[in-house]
Amino acid sequence: GEDVEQSLFLSVREGDSSVINCTYTDSSSTYLYWYKQEPGAGLQLLTYIFSNMDMKQDQRLTVLLNKKDKHLSLRIADTQTGDSAIYFCAEPPGDGSARQLTFGSGTQLTVLP
Amino acid sequence: ETGVTQTPRHLVMGMTNKKSLKCEQHLGHNAMYWYKQSAKKPLELMFVYNFKEQTENNSVPSRFSPECPNSSHLFLHLHTLQPEDSALYLCASSQVGPGDRASGYTFGSGTRLTVV
Repeated sequence: GEDVEQSLFLSVREGDSSVINCTYTDSSSTYLYWYKQEPGAGLQLLTYIFSNMDMKQDQRLTVLLNKKDKHLSLRIADTQTGDSAIYFCAEPPGDGSARQLTFGSGTQLTVLP
Repeated sequence: ETGVTQTPRHLVMGMTNKKSLKCEQHLGHNAMYWYKQSAKKPLELMFVYNFKEQTENNSVPSRFSPECPNSSHLFLHLHTLQPEDSALYLCASSQVGPGDRASGYTFGSGTRLTVV
Protein backbone atom coordinates (compact mmCIF):
# COMPACT_ATOMS: atom_id res chain seq x y z
CA GLY A 1 0.00 0.00 0.00
CA GLU A 2 0.90 3.64 -0.15
CA ASP A 3 3.07 5.24 2.49
CA VAL A 4 3.73 8.97 2.71
CA GLU A 5 6.37 10.39 5.04
CA GLN A 6 7.09 13.92 6.20
CA SER A 7 9.20 15.51 8.86
CA LEU A 8 7.08 16.68 11.77
CA PHE A 9 8.34 20.20 12.46
CA LEU A 10 9.87 23.17 10.66
CA SER A 11 10.63 26.64 12.03
CA VAL A 12 11.61 29.58 9.86
CA ARG A 13 11.96 33.32 10.30
CA GLU A 14 9.42 35.63 8.74
CA GLY A 15 10.56 36.61 5.26
CA ASP A 16 12.69 33.51 4.75
CA SER A 17 11.80 30.62 2.46
CA SER A 18 10.29 27.43 3.86
CA VAL A 19 10.82 24.04 2.27
CA ILE A 20 8.61 21.17 3.35
CA ASN A 21 9.59 17.72 2.14
CA CYS A 22 7.64 14.56 1.51
CA THR A 23 8.46 11.07 0.25
CA TYR A 24 5.89 8.72 -1.20
CA THR A 25 5.87 5.14 -2.36
CA ASP A 26 3.44 4.68 -5.24
CA SER A 27 5.26 5.50 -8.44
CA SER A 28 2.05 5.23 -10.47
CA SER A 29 0.37 8.19 -8.72
CA THR A 30 -0.91 10.61 -11.33
CA TYR A 31 -1.35 13.55 -8.98
CA LEU A 32 0.23 14.58 -5.72
CA TYR A 33 -1.35 17.08 -3.37
CA TRP A 34 -0.44 19.58 -0.71
CA TYR A 35 -2.99 20.49 1.94
CA LYS A 36 -2.82 23.18 4.61
CA GLN A 37 -4.51 22.96 8.00
CA GLU A 38 -4.77 26.09 10.10
CA PRO A 39 -5.48 25.80 13.84
CA GLY A 40 -9.01 24.65 14.57
CA ALA A 41 -9.86 24.14 10.91
CA GLY A 42 -10.12 21.35 8.38
CA LEU A 43 -7.63 20.68 5.62
CA GLN A 44 -7.60 23.03 2.65
CA LEU A 45 -6.26 22.01 -0.74
CA LEU A 46 -3.26 24.24 -1.37
CA THR A 47 -1.94 22.97 -4.66
CA TYR A 48 -1.34 19.82 -6.66
CA ILE A 49 1.05 18.64 -9.32
CA PHE A 50 0.71 16.24 -12.21
CA SER A 51 3.16 13.38 -12.01
CA ASN A 52 4.50 14.23 -15.47
CA MET A 53 5.65 17.65 -14.24
CA ASP A 54 8.88 18.49 -12.43
CA MET A 55 7.80 21.83 -11.09
CA LYS A 56 4.72 23.92 -10.58
CA GLN A 57 4.72 27.52 -9.43
CA ASP A 58 1.74 29.35 -8.00
CA GLN A 59 2.53 32.79 -6.59
CA ARG A 60 4.67 32.20 -3.48
CA LEU A 61 4.34 28.43 -3.73
CA THR A 62 6.67 26.20 -5.71
CA VAL A 63 6.15 22.46 -5.88
CA LEU A 64 9.06 20.29 -6.97
CA LEU A 65 8.64 16.65 -7.92
CA ASN A 66 11.45 14.15 -8.28
CA LYS A 67 9.78 11.00 -9.57
CA LYS A 68 12.96 8.98 -9.60
CA ASP A 69 13.45 9.49 -5.87
CA LYS A 70 9.70 9.73 -5.13
CA HIS A 71 10.31 13.03 -3.43
CA LEU A 72 7.93 15.97 -3.33
CA SER A 73 8.65 19.37 -1.84
CA LEU A 74 6.71 22.55 -1.19
CA ARG A 75 8.61 25.80 -1.11
CA ILE A 76 6.97 28.90 0.35
CA ALA A 77 8.77 32.10 -0.56
CA ASP A 78 8.75 35.11 1.77
CA THR A 79 7.10 33.11 4.53
CA GLN A 80 4.59 35.08 6.59
CA THR A 81 3.12 34.49 10.05
CA GLY A 82 -0.14 33.56 8.35
CA ASP A 83 1.64 30.60 6.79
CA SER A 84 1.99 28.97 10.22
CA ALA A 85 -0.03 25.77 9.89
CA ILE A 86 0.28 22.04 9.39
CA TYR A 87 1.07 21.01 5.82
CA PHE A 88 0.11 17.56 4.53
CA CYS A 89 1.20 15.91 1.35
CA ALA A 90 -1.10 13.26 -0.07
CA GLU A 91 -1.12 10.74 -2.87
CA PRO A 92 -4.01 8.85 -4.41
CA PRO A 93 -4.02 5.10 -4.96
CA GLY A 94 -2.27 3.73 -8.00
CA ASP A 95 -5.36 3.75 -10.17
CA GLY A 96 -5.21 7.56 -10.13
CA SER A 97 -8.60 7.93 -8.53
CA ALA A 98 -9.16 10.66 -5.98
CA ARG A 99 -10.67 8.22 -3.55
CA GLN A 100 -8.83 7.23 -0.40
CA LEU A 101 -5.95 9.62 -0.51
CA THR A 102 -3.05 8.60 1.69
CA PHE A 103 -1.88 11.51 3.81
CA GLY A 104 1.48 12.09 5.39
CA SER A 105 1.65 12.82 9.10
CA GLY A 106 1.86 16.54 8.44
CA THR A 107 4.63 19.10 8.97
CA GLN A 108 3.98 21.77 11.57
CA LEU A 109 5.39 25.01 10.17
CA THR A 110 6.12 27.72 12.73
CA VAL A 111 7.00 31.17 11.46
CA LEU A 112 9.05 33.22 13.91
CA PRO A 113 8.95 37.02 13.89
CA GLU B 1 -17.45 28.69 2.98
CA THR B 2 -15.68 25.48 2.03
CA GLY B 3 -18.67 23.73 0.48
CA VAL B 4 -18.53 21.06 3.18
CA THR B 5 -20.31 21.98 6.40
CA GLN B 6 -19.93 20.07 9.65
CA THR B 7 -22.03 20.46 12.75
CA PRO B 8 -21.58 20.86 15.60
CA ARG B 9 -18.15 22.51 15.68
CA HIS B 10 -17.59 21.39 19.27
CA LEU B 11 -19.16 18.56 21.24
CA VAL B 12 -18.64 17.38 24.79
CA MET B 13 -20.30 14.13 25.69
CA GLY B 14 -20.30 11.62 28.49
CA MET B 15 -19.39 8.02 27.92
CA THR B 16 -23.02 6.93 28.20
CA ASN B 17 -24.42 9.53 25.81
CA LYS B 18 -25.59 9.10 22.24
CA LYS B 19 -24.87 11.89 19.81
CA SER B 20 -24.51 12.38 16.07
CA LEU B 21 -22.13 14.37 13.91
CA LYS B 22 -23.48 15.81 10.69
CA CYS B 23 -21.75 16.60 7.42
CA GLU B 24 -23.31 18.24 4.39
CA GLN B 25 -21.66 18.96 1.06
CA HIS B 26 -22.94 21.38 -1.56
CA LEU B 27 -20.44 20.48 -4.27
CA GLY B 28 -22.28 17.74 -6.12
CA HIS B 29 -19.61 15.22 -5.14
CA ASN B 30 -20.39 11.53 -5.13
CA ALA B 31 -18.03 10.29 -2.41
CA MET B 32 -17.84 11.23 1.26
CA TYR B 33 -15.41 10.31 4.01
CA TRP B 34 -14.98 10.40 7.77
CA TYR B 35 -11.49 10.95 9.17
CA LYS B 36 -10.29 11.03 12.76
CA GLN B 37 -7.45 13.36 13.68
CA SER B 38 -5.89 12.84 17.09
CA ALA B 39 -3.03 14.78 18.57
CA LYS B 40 0.35 13.58 17.37
CA LYS B 41 -1.17 10.91 15.11
CA PRO B 42 -1.64 10.77 11.35
CA LEU B 43 -5.07 11.25 9.85
CA GLU B 44 -7.04 8.04 10.21
CA LEU B 45 -9.54 7.15 7.52
CA MET B 46 -12.65 5.74 9.19
CA PHE B 47 -15.34 5.31 6.55
CA VAL B 48 -15.78 5.86 2.83
CA TYR B 49 -19.09 6.22 1.04
CA ASN B 50 -19.21 6.10 -2.73
CA PHE B 51 -22.58 6.79 -4.34
CA LYS B 52 -24.18 6.35 -0.89
CA GLU B 53 -22.73 2.87 -0.52
CA GLN B 54 -20.18 2.20 2.20
CA THR B 55 -17.01 0.98 0.55
CA GLU B 56 -14.55 1.13 3.43
CA ASN B 57 -14.68 0.51 7.12
CA ASN B 58 -11.15 0.61 8.43
CA SER B 59 -11.63 -1.56 11.51
CA VAL B 60 -13.57 1.13 13.28
CA PRO B 61 -15.17 0.09 16.59
CA SER B 62 -18.92 -0.45 16.46
CA ARG B 63 -19.52 2.46 18.84
CA PHE B 64 -19.09 4.57 15.68
CA SER B 65 -21.93 4.08 13.21
CA PRO B 66 -22.00 5.97 9.90
CA GLU B 67 -25.07 6.78 7.87
CA CYS B 68 -25.29 8.21 4.38
CA PRO B 69 -28.92 8.83 3.44
CA ASN B 70 -28.01 10.58 0.18
CA SER B 71 -24.92 11.76 -1.63
CA SER B 72 -25.03 15.17 0.08
CA HIS B 73 -25.32 14.12 3.72
CA LEU B 74 -23.20 12.00 5.98
CA PHE B 75 -23.69 11.29 9.65
CA LEU B 76 -21.57 9.67 12.31
CA HIS B 77 -23.60 8.28 15.17
CA LEU B 78 -21.75 7.95 18.44
CA HIS B 79 -22.63 5.86 21.48
CA THR B 80 -20.80 4.67 24.58
CA LEU B 81 -17.57 6.35 23.53
CA GLN B 82 -14.30 6.22 25.43
CA PRO B 83 -12.08 9.14 26.45
CA GLU B 84 -9.51 8.04 23.84
CA ASP B 85 -12.13 8.77 21.16
CA SER B 86 -11.66 12.48 21.86
CA ALA B 87 -10.35 13.95 18.62
CA LEU B 88 -11.15 16.19 15.69
CA TYR B 89 -13.51 14.40 13.32
CA LEU B 90 -13.22 15.58 9.76
CA CYS B 91 -15.62 15.02 6.93
CA ALA B 92 -14.50 15.27 3.32
CA SER B 93 -16.03 14.84 -0.08
CA SER B 94 -14.66 14.23 -3.56
CA GLN B 95 -15.78 13.50 -7.06
CA VAL B 96 -14.87 9.95 -8.03
CA GLY B 97 -14.97 8.89 -11.65
CA PRO B 98 -14.07 10.56 -14.95
CA GLY B 99 -12.53 13.94 -14.34
CA ASP B 100 -11.93 13.36 -10.63
CA ARG B 101 -8.19 13.29 -10.80
CA ALA B 102 -7.21 16.82 -9.90
CA SER B 103 -9.92 17.63 -7.43
CA GLY B 104 -8.61 15.83 -4.39
CA TYR B 105 -10.77 16.18 -1.33
CA THR B 106 -12.72 19.10 0.07
CA PHE B 107 -12.76 19.04 3.85
CA GLY B 108 -15.15 20.45 6.38
CA SER B 109 -13.87 22.37 9.40
CA GLY B 110 -14.34 19.39 11.66
CA THR B 111 -16.08 18.63 14.92
CA ARG B 112 -13.90 18.80 18.01
CA LEU B 113 -15.18 15.96 20.19
CA THR B 114 -14.35 15.61 23.86
CA VAL B 115 -15.48 12.50 25.72
CA VAL B 116 -15.61 12.91 29.48
